[in-house]
Amino acid sequence: AQKITQTQPGMFVQEKEAVTLDCTYDTSDPSYGLFWYKQPSSGEMIFLIYQGSYDQQNATEGRYSLNFQKARKSANLVISASQLGDSAMYFCAMRELLTGDYKLSFGAGTTVTVRA
Amino acid sequence: GAVVSQHPSRVICKSGTSVKIECRSLDFQATTMFWYRQFPKQSLMLMATSNEGSKATYEQGVEKDKFLINHASLTLSTLTVTSAHPEDSSFYICSAAGTSGGYEQYFGPGTRLTVT
Repeated sequence: AQKITQTQPGMFVQEKEAVTLDCTYDTSDPSYGLFWYKQPSSGEMIFLIYQGSYDQQNATEGRYSLNFQKARKSANLVISASQLGDSAMYFCAMRELLTGDYKLSFGAGTTVTVRA
Repeated sequence: GAVVSQHPSRVICKSGTSVKIECRSLDFQATTMFWYRQFPKQSLMLMATSNEGSKATYEQGVEKDKFLINHASLTLSTLTVTSAHPEDSSFYICSAAGTSGGYEQYFGPGTRLTVT
């Protein structure tokens, strides 16, 4: 079964507007971590934000925030005030912590294109 | 954050030859390293998990005799694509998890392999 689902293959957003990237996950592990990565055309994977399953508050990092809805098993990424440099592919990922093997399960990714 | 390097960044080789890709953690000790393969516009596919001083654990469907992984030290893992064929052309990315028990994986910049 797919552990991470990203249903938006591609999105367009106007510069300076906010964009929400959807991510749902599936796990029976009570302890897990959720990640978002940005991959520009250069190929490097850039870590954006992390949310632990026991974290009480939604994670925020600058213009990135994670809308964590545990009951719905969703972990949407919100990018506020989009910039041209935000154009990239974005991946949601999960690590199930009880297995202890550090493996990440990745979603299919969402390509974001920011328009001027 | 921690730095992971990969060498080479790009390589072109002839069909039938072998290619070695190095992954180094520059400022931390990595007990576990991961090798991923990524086709254009697709997600990262985990190929194998490499633990220092022991044999790599390959994901289902990945030929261990084709993709040789060695993790001889806490700072270096290598992936050797043996008898490469054009279908092995891809983007290969490594990541490393540190010894401190933290949650994050640190990704290398990737290696683009083209087999002619």
